[in-house]
Amino acid sequence: DAGVIQSPRHEVTEMGQEVTLRCKPISGHDYLFWYRQTMMRGLELLIYFNNNVPIDDSGMPEDRFSAKMPNASFSTLKIQPSEPRDSAVYFCASSSRPGTGAKTDTQYFGPGTRLTVL
Amino acid sequence: AQSVAQPEDQVNVAEGNPLTVKCTYSVSGNPYLFWYVQYPNRGLQFLLKYITGDNLVKGSYGFEAEFNKSQTSFHLKKPSALVSDSALYFCAVRDDSNYQLIWGAGTKLIIKP
Repeated sequence: DAGVIQSPRHEVTEMGQEVTLRCKPISGHDYLFWYRQTMMRGLELLIYFNNNVPIDDSGMPEDRFSAKMPNASFSTLKIQPSEPRDSAVYFCASSSRPGTGAKTDTQYFGPGTRLTVL
Repeated sequence: AQSVAQPEDQVNVAEGNPLTVKCTYSVSGNPYLFWYVQYPNRGLQFLLKYITGDNLVKGSYGFEAEFNKSQTSFHLKKPSALVSDSALYFCAVRDDSNYQLIWGAGTKLIIKP
């Protein structure tokens, strides 16, 4: 199993530019989560999907942020326009449906995308 | 409202000594509790979870955690610390009504040789 794949691993851009982060979840997982991690705010849930449908986007900070999941194997997080305060590490995680089995209900994280907005 | 508290920003332990990283929680229903570890410049890795059953849960890398319902705690433990255990540890919780995990602020564990 390749695990959760994120690209790019590092992104440096200038204020005002559009940024697109990509995620490929683990095959067979029904849930996909986007998180942001900063020193000041810790780990924040931005949005999560179930079966490609956004369930809760209350963590998306502003309208500049948008996320899509066009199919079960791909999701994007877009920031347009980007600002310096968006600089953070963005993680994608996936999991199977809730349950009591050993591997259910466990979120598996990708390596993250470190975003720097100058 | 659901919440998780990790009361210690940092824990320092000598190699070979037992370690404990504390976590307390508040949920309205049955708790589902998780521990994750994050090494520098890496994603979070799952260590262990409590869903139901035995209060003592064993996980990866020799870690274990004890679910204590009366104290609403889920402390992470290891009998003998290794320098390689040095990392950032996160506790998370959810209840029956919400699939979203609530995350603690993280505890930096430093194991000194």
